[in-house]
Amino acid sequence: GAGVSQSPSNKVTEKGKDVELRCDPISGHTALYWYRQSLGQGLEFLIYFQGNSAPDKSGLPSDRFSAERTGGSVSTLTIQRTQQEDSAVYLCASSPGGRGLIRSSFEKLFFGSGTQLSVL
Amino acid sequence: GDSVTQMEGPVTLSEEAFLTINCTYTATGYPSLFWYVQYPGEGLQLLLKATKADDKGSNKGFEATYRKETTSFHLEKGSVQVSDSAVYFCALRGNTGFQKLVFGTGTRLLVSP
Repeated sequence: GAGVSQSPSNKVTEKGKDVELRCDPISGHTALYWYRQSLGQGLEFLIYFQGNSAPDKSGLPSDRFSAERTGGSVSTLTIQRTQQEDSAVYLCASSPGGRGLIRSSFEKLFFGSGTQLSVL
Repeated sequence: GDSVTQMEGPVTLSEEAFLTINCTYTATGYPSLFWYVQYPGEGLQLLLKATKADDKGSNKGFEATYRKETTSFHLEKGSVQVSDSAVYFCALRGNTGFQKLVFGTGTRLLVSP
C-alpha cells in the first residue's frame, strides 16, 4: 500500500481479555517497529523487527506482550490478559532497513495512524 | 541509556510569532537527531534531521542545529502559522542498537490567528 496501515483503528476491550493489533508496513520495508504512546509519556519503544526476526525486543513491558512478523511483511502485536494500564495508542512504523544495516536506511521512519486501545 | 528531554507544553503562540521548542539529549558517542511532527488526526512524520555535530536540519521554515557542546537540538521557526499547530517530538538514534529511535515526550504547539 501507499503507507503503513494499522487495524483496528480503535479497540475497546474488557480487563483480562486478549487483543491482537495488526500492522501492514510499506511494501519492501524490511524494518518494522512498534511503539506505545501514552498520555504524558511520549513514545515508548516496544520492539523492532528486521525481516521476520526481532533483534531488539527490549521495550516489551511484560511477558503478556508478544509480537510476530511473517513473510517479512505483516506484524501482529498481541497483549494477553489486558490490564487498564495497557490503554494507549499503539503505533507501528517501518523503514527501508536492509541487510547491510546502513544507518541511513533506518533514519526515516514511516508511521501508521495507530490503534487506540481502551481497556475497561 | 539514551534519552531525550523536551520542554513541556502546550506552547501557545499567535500567528507570525517566533517559535523555540527546547530539546536536550543524553547519549554516548555521536547520535543522529530528529524532529518528528504529528498533525491532528495524522501519523508522525519526519520534519528534519541532523546526523553530526554542527549540522543544521531544515524543512518547511523550521530549523534545528546539532549542538554537541550543549547536547541540544532546539527547534526554531521565525514566523509560525496556524497550520503549524501540532505535536512535535524530538528523537535520537544512538550508536548502539542504532536501529531504533528514542523519543521525547512531545510538545504540543497551538497557534492562534
